[in-house]
Amino acid sequence: DVKVTQSSRYLVKRTGEKVFLECVQDMDHENMFWYRQDPGLGLRLIYFSYDVKMKEKGDIPEGYSVSREKKERFSLILESASTNQTSMYLCASRGGTGPTSPLHFGNGTRLTVT
Amino acid sequence: AQSVTQLGSHVSVSEGALVLLRCNYSSSVPPYLFWYVQYPNQGLQLLLKYTSAATLVKGINGFEAEFKKSETSFHLTKPSAHMSDAAEYFCAVSDQDTNAGKSTFGDGTTLTVKP
Repeated sequence: DVKVTQSSRYLVKRTGEKVFLECVQDMDHENMFWYRQDPGLGLRLIYFSYDVKMKEKGDIPEGYSVSREKKERFSLILESASTNQTSMYLCASRGGTGPTSPLHFGNGTRLTVT
Repeated sequence: AQSVTQLGSHVSVSEGALVLLRCNYSSSVPPYLFWYVQYPNQGLQLLLKYTSAATLVKGINGFEAEFKKSETSFHLTKPSAHMSDAAEYFCAVSDQDTNAGKSTFGDGTTLTVKP
C-alpha cells in the first residue's frame, strides 16, 4: 500500500514566518502534488512536480514555493506566511501511467497563521 | 481546460436509502474521471475511476458510477446508505496534457446519513 506521510498534522505559525511543510512517499512515484483545501472551494492545486528538481505551478502558486531534491520528498514553502494562508494542506503522489492512475493522499496538515 | 461541477454541497439521506451524488464534467477530450472520499481528519482516498473502459464503474464500499457522455455526467450512487458512508465526496478530472496528469477537483459534497 502506498503511504504518503505529512510531517505535521497541526501547525500554528505567526504572520511573516517562513513555513516548511514536508511530505514523503514510499512508492517511488514520479509525480507529487500540493493542494490546499478550504470549505466550499474543494481542492486547489498549488504546485506539482513530475521528477526530481522539476516543478510546475498549479492554479494558485502565489505566496508559495516548492522543493524536490529527492524523489520521495516534496516540500511546500510559505516564504512569508499570511493569515489568508490558513488552510488544510494536502500532499499527494501519483505513479503508474500518469493521468489514469489515482492520487494517493497524506492525512493533511492544518496550518493556522495568526 | 477541464473542470468538474458537483451539484449540491450537502446531501442528506436516511440509512438504507439510495445515495446519489452528482458530478458533471467539462472536457474537450475523453476524460479520466475519479471519485474520492474524505472521512473526518483524513486525506482523500479513491472510491472509483473511469478511464474509457466500461461506462459503469464499480468501486469500494458498494459505490458505483456511470459515465454518460451525452449528459457529460459521472454521478455516484449507492443503493443503500450506511451510517459509515457519512463523509465528504469529491469528483475529479485528470489532465491528459501533462505527464503528471494533474487533477482538477469539484467543490465537494458532504453526505449526511440519518438513522
